[in-house]
Amino acid sequence: EIVLTQSPATLSLSPGEGATLSCRASQSVSTYLAWYQQKPGQAPRLLIYDASNRATGIPARFSGSGSGTDFTLTISSLEPEDFAVYYCQQRSNWPPLTFGGGTKVEIK
Amino acid sequence: QVQLVQSGAEVKKPGASVKVSCKASGYTFPSYYMHWVRQAPGQGLEWMGVINPSGGSTTYAQKLQGRVTMTRDTSTSTVYMELSSLRSEDTAVYYCARDDNIAVAGGRFDPWGQGTLVTVSS
Repeated sequence: EIVLTQSPATLSLSPGEGATLSCRASQSVSTYLAWYQQKPGQAPRLLIYDASNRATGIPARFSGSGSGTDFTLTISSLEPEDFAVYYCQQRSNWPPLTFGGGTKVEIK
Repeated sequence: QVQLVQSGAEVKKPGASVKVSCKASGYTFPSYYMHWVRQAPGQGLEWMGVINPSGGSTTYAQKLQGRVTMTRDTSTSTVYMELSSLRSEDTAVYYCARDDNIAVAGGRFDPWGQGTLVTVSS
């Protein structure tokens, strides 16, 4: 089973600041990595697929990069609605499909 | 637009079973695999398994093998997830999530249902 480790667990930032979230895989997942955003009381939403492709309707301030075992989600300038929990997920080698433990982006 | 609407919250006793439904609309139901993902309170996301709505074939997470059953009803575009021998650790929000690849299970989730809270308590 591929284990995904996200860091940091919590990121405290102010609106307008940039955010950099990390996801590390226990073995190579090539670029078969996605990022999801989850707000309190809501279902997750697909943001980025295959490491660097924005899903439909996702603003350009969200970008993804990486390959192999190290990946980054970058939010260029935080909007109030971006404060949420972010999960990475791999589909390189499954079952099982696996998720990282999440990074909470909170208002400083 | 694509929509997944799940059944309502459930409260069950340990040892019982629960069956959660997920009704799909806005697309050709048999063409997209459907996954189930759960989230314990304050915790992360756990993949449970996937069903092919076309033929009904399933793949389950190993830790749930023997307790989980996924089925579908093509006449109503609905998939079901039944979990048996419930224990307190099964208390979670259960989500259905469509695979976003047509005709194959690509392993990516978009969109998601609204979630169904299942509480297991004596």
